[in-house]
Amino acid sequence: GQQVMQIPQYQHVQEGEDFTTYCNSSTTLSNIQWYKQRPGGHPVFLIQLVKSGEVKKQKRLTFQFGEAKKNSSLHITATQTTDVGTYFCAALNSGGGADGLTFGKGTHLIIQP
Amino acid sequence: KAGVTQTPRYLIKTRGQQVTLSCSPISGHRSVSWYQQTPGQGLQFLFEYFSETQRNKGNFPGRFSGRQFSNSRSEMNVSTLELGDSALYLCASSLGTVRPNYGYTFGSGTRLTVV
Repeated sequence: GQQVMQIPQYQHVQEGEDFTTYCNSSTTLSNIQWYKQRPGGHPVFLIQLVKSGEVKKQKRLTFQFGEAKKNSSLHITATQTTDVGTYFCAALNSGGGADGLTFGKGTHLIIQP
Repeated sequence: KAGVTQTPRYLIKTRGQQVTLSCSPISGHRSVSWYQQTPGQGLQFLFEYFSETQRNKGNFPGRFSGRQFSNSRSEMNVSTLELGDSALYLCASSLGTVRPNYGYTFGSGTRLTVV
């Protein structure tokens, strides 16, 4: 089955610094979704990217989908303590149908005040 | 509207026993998928149901099974529990149409501990 690799596994930043997590696949993805999981919580959907080269922004968060649709990134500008959590990328199984998700291992964002 | 409801929240079982977990999706959502989350393996896809039919299955042994009822509620069952089955089991619901553009909504999960 398809796999998505996510790096880094952990990222320590000072509050106010930027943060980026990267997601890579060896195969072309039909689309990619991003989720955030707070400590002790459950994954919460952030966004879905579908088009090659797509860029979407949500306040301080910027999401990109690579031109070849094999990689994606999430960038957070000026991190805040509320950004703490694990960020996952996930690809839809079975060529884009609603058949479940393959998740990356996630990037744990730790913020030092 | 109500979110995805999973019961029970916590469960302690003994090796060799079986367990049934329940998930009620968001009203109107016809797709329910299940995931296992562990510190070592992360989030792993178990299976996905749509209109009472299993559409896709992850790479788990046959001890893991599930079903979906006509009201879209779903259950998953794990038989002959092993210590390694200790995990957070998450259920996610979606409308189930092709190319959803709103993502999946997860429940709070069931924390299963096998002793």
